[in-house]
Amino acid sequence: SAVISQKPSRDICQRGTSLTIQCQVDSQVTMMFWYRQQPGQSLTLIATANQGSEATYESGFVIDKFPISRPNLTFSTLTVSNMSPEDSSIYLCSVLGPRWGTEAFFGQGTRLTVV
Amino acid sequence: AQKVTQAQTEISVVEKEDVTLDCVYETRDTTYYLFWYKQPPSGELVFLIRRNSFDEQNEISGRYSWNFQKSTSSFNFTITASQVVDSAVYFCALSAPNQAGTALIFGKGTTLSVSS
Repeated sequence: SAVISQKPSRDICQRGTSLTIQCQVDSQVTMMFWYRQQPGQSLTLIATANQGSEATYESGFVIDKFPISRPNLTFSTLTVSNMSPEDSSIYLCSVLGPRWGTEAFFGQGTRLTVV
Repeated sequence: AQKVTQAQTEISVVEKEDVTLDCVYETRDTTYYLFWYKQPPSGELVFLIRRNSFDEQNEISGRYSWNFQKSTSSFNFTITASQVVDSAVYFCALSAPNQAGTALIFGKGTTLSVSS
């Protein structure tokens, strides 16, 4: 199994500012995924981050708003830029097991509140 | 298109009752995986089960059981003799190949409240 550490675990931010969330995995993984969970809602995939290439964003999410870095096989960051109260959500990073179809491992999430 | 539907938004039961959480999925892929996750109030996602599309055997793990039926594209989850600690949001998810990778597609979740 993979152990994922996410920082910060929670934050309260002022609108118009940016927050960078870090995700560290205890093993090398090819793909990392970033999800958003708005209050009372399900998880929605923001983007897939591959090491050495641009992240692939899902419909409705753009790089200017959610820039992602993936400098190596164990680390990724997601930045929430120019925040508004609508960005208040839990943000989770995730990796898959070594073979497709094995369970997905999740970080503990970053609970973001924008005021 | 791939989609997971959990039609039950909220379910409330009394301890020791049995409860079934429904999950219906859509995919054109012949090879796929289905998952159930539990999200307690603390917020972390707890993996419960994974089932591949070629294995229709039902599974039982303690008080939990899962019924996978490809004919109806359903993967239902039953908790027997529910307990207060079962109170959580339960997500059904689908993993199938796509261009970007194999991220999970989640249903909207079912909030289960078990009262004593």
